[in-house]
Amino acid sequence: GQQLNQSPQSMFIQEGEDVSMNCTSSSIFNTWLWYKQDPGEGPVLLIALYKAGELTSNGRLTAQFGITRKDSFLNISASIPSDVGIYFCAGRSGGSNYKLTFGKGTLLTVNP
Amino acid sequence: DGGITQSPKYLFRKEGQNVTLSCEQNLNHDAMYWYRQDPGQGLRLIYYSQIVNDFQKGDIAEGYSVSREKKESFPLTVTSAQKNPTAFYLCASRNLIRDRDSNYGYTFGSGTRLTVV
Repeated sequence: GQQLNQSPQSMFIQEGEDVSMNCTSSSIFNTWLWYKQDPGEGPVLLIALYKAGELTSNGRLTAQFGITRKDSFLNISASIPSDVGIYFCAGRSGGSNYKLTFGKGTLLTVNP
Repeated sequence: DGGITQSPKYLFRKEGQNVTLSCEQNLNHDAMYWYRQDPGQGLRLIYYSQIVNDFQKGDIAEGYSVSREKKESFPLTVTSAQKNPTAFYLCASRNLIRDRDSNYGYTFGSGTRLTVV
């Protein structure tokens, strides 16, 4: 099946630093989504991207849909302690409208 | 407010027992999903359903069963055939059609942590 490679697996940063993570796929996706999961909770949608090249912001978060449609990145600027959690990318291909493919997640730790 | 509710939050199972995890949504979403999450493994799809009385196996369906008798409900049974059931289980739902109020994204429940004792 389809697979997403998400990197890095984990990050340890200082409060105030910027963060970047990305996902790549061997196949084309029509939609890219980024989720955040707090410990012991379900993931929450952060940003949804629908067009190649699209750049979308949500507060301190910025995500882009790659031109090749096989990759996406998420940036977090000026990190704060509550940014701690697992960030997942997810993609939807045109042939599988009903389910998403998820990356394995990036565990972010922010030191105050 | 609309949402998706999973219960219980924590569940303990003895070896050889079947247990059922509840998932209810009042979002009027068509599709519902069950995922299993293990450390470092990401989210793995167990079962999904697009309409009432119909469901399909995901990538790791062995040892699990589901039903979809109502649009709002999609319970997951972890059977004794599942050899390593200890995990965090997530239920999700979504509309199948994108409109201004939806975005193809899933809405997740807050999860059930199942432990075999």
